[in-house]
Amino acid sequence: LAKTTQPISMDSYEGQEVNITCSHNNIATNDYITWYQQFPSQGPRFIIQGYKTKVTNEVASLFIPADRKSSTLSLPRVSLSDTAVYYCLVGPHGSSNTGKLIFGQGTTLQVKP
Amino acid sequence: KAGVTQTPRYLIKTRGQQVTLSCSPISGHRSVSWYQQTPGQGLQFLFEYFSETQRNKGNFPGRFSGRQFSNSRSEMNVSTLELGDSALYLCASSLETVTYNEQFFGPGTRLTVL
Repeated sequence: LAKTTQPISMDSYEGQEVNITCSHNNIATNDYITWYQQFPSQGPRFIIQGYKTKVTNEVASLFIPADRKSSTLSLPRVSLSDTAVYYCLVGPHGSSNTGKLIFGQGTTLQVKP
Repeated sequence: KAGVTQTPRYLIKTRGQQVTLSCSPISGHRSVSWYQQTPGQGLQFLFEYFSETQRNKGNFPGRFSGRQFSNSRSEMNVSTLELGDSALYLCASSLETVTYNEQFFGPGTRLTVL
């Protein structure tokens, strides 16, 4: 499974757009990129997943360049409730890997008023 | 649909004891995974069960074991507890055909070993 590197922490203010970048230089051809969000004392929550280019849902956007060696999670107009740890995961599809997630350190996002 | 439930939510044990944690997956989910989260090591994968069989395993000692029942409910057991086993234990469930990483996590069981 590809190793990921993210900033340890980030600060932002309410209403701003936040971009968290994840490096995954050794990403394999069949790897997908997924982001999870975790609040204190809760389990992680799936945010978004993508393979290439851009993916958008009601919560966030995921930008993946052509070489796929990095990805950027974009949170539009954050609020205080977006304060959480954000994890970038990279791994393949397939039932043999479905149940096994490898989490890195994550990025602690602090949103200030 | 009800989410993943874990019981108990909090537990205090002493060194040398054993503990059993329970997880009920989302209805219809057949895969159940367990994770340990500590401030020092972060989130670490313990094992995954699918159709009552262990399908994936992380790098934890044999004191950590699990099982899955025919209704997909799962239990995790830790024997001979050590102080370092104090952690938040998370259970996650997913569908058989789900794409990679679409797991749904429960609230966790906070285990404190004294």
